Amino acid sequence: KQEVTQIPAALSVPEGENLVLNCSFTDSAIYNLQWFRQDPGKGLTSLLLIQSSQREQTSGRLNASLDKSSGRSTLYIAASQPGDSATYLCAVNNQGGKLIFGQGTELSVKP
Amino acid sequence: DTGVSQDPRHKITKRGQNVTFRCDPISEHNRLYWYRQTLGQGPEFLTYFQNEAQLEKSRLLSDRFSAERPKGSFSTLEIQRTEQGDSAMYLCASSSEVFWEKLFFGSGTQLSVL
Repeated sequence: KQEVTQIPAALSVPEGENLVLNCSFTDSAIYNLQWFRQDPGKGLTSLLLIQSSQREQTSGRLNASLDKSSGRSTLYIAASQPGDSATYLCAVNNQGGKLIFGQGTELSVKP
Repeated sequence: DTGVSQDPRHKITKRGQNVTFRCDPISEHNRLYWYRQTLGQGPEFLTYFQNEAQLEKSRLLSDRFSAERPKGSFSTLEIQRTEQGDSAMYLCASSSEVFWEKLFFGSGTQLSVL
């Protein structure tokens, strides 16, 4: 049974700092891995999708890496801003469109 | 493209009552998903449709839960005889047949069972 874990559960950083969020999964037989952002009381916004054959994806200040063999992914946020404050969720897809999510990392970027 | 729309945004009900939520997916998307999210947790898969066919249901979806997508467009999720443990955010998502991996989520329906 696939399990997804995110560390840390919460993170507070000063504005401008670079940071890394971690995601691990137990079953390496995945189609892809996605990172989402969720603002309080809102739905999820897809940030990056990495196919199982890929090692990383980049969008603006965000870079996500995938190491399937070790069951790990990281989301790197460069030059963090207060607007980046949100919960970041990692999800793996190993059966159709059914995503298995981690618990999320709640990020707070202080001005 | 107006995104995935969910109604209502919030629902407060008393234990034992029935509730129904609606989801309108992005118009050209033929796949529709329901997830449930409790406080401090990631979303958990409940069920998904391809067109009007319900292809998979999670064991989380007890007999009190039923989902429909009668014409392959909007979907409803009904919870009968609600329990306090049903309190959660119910999220709907949709994806296209071609880019099925990329799910677009709605803002969710927050259910509180008193």
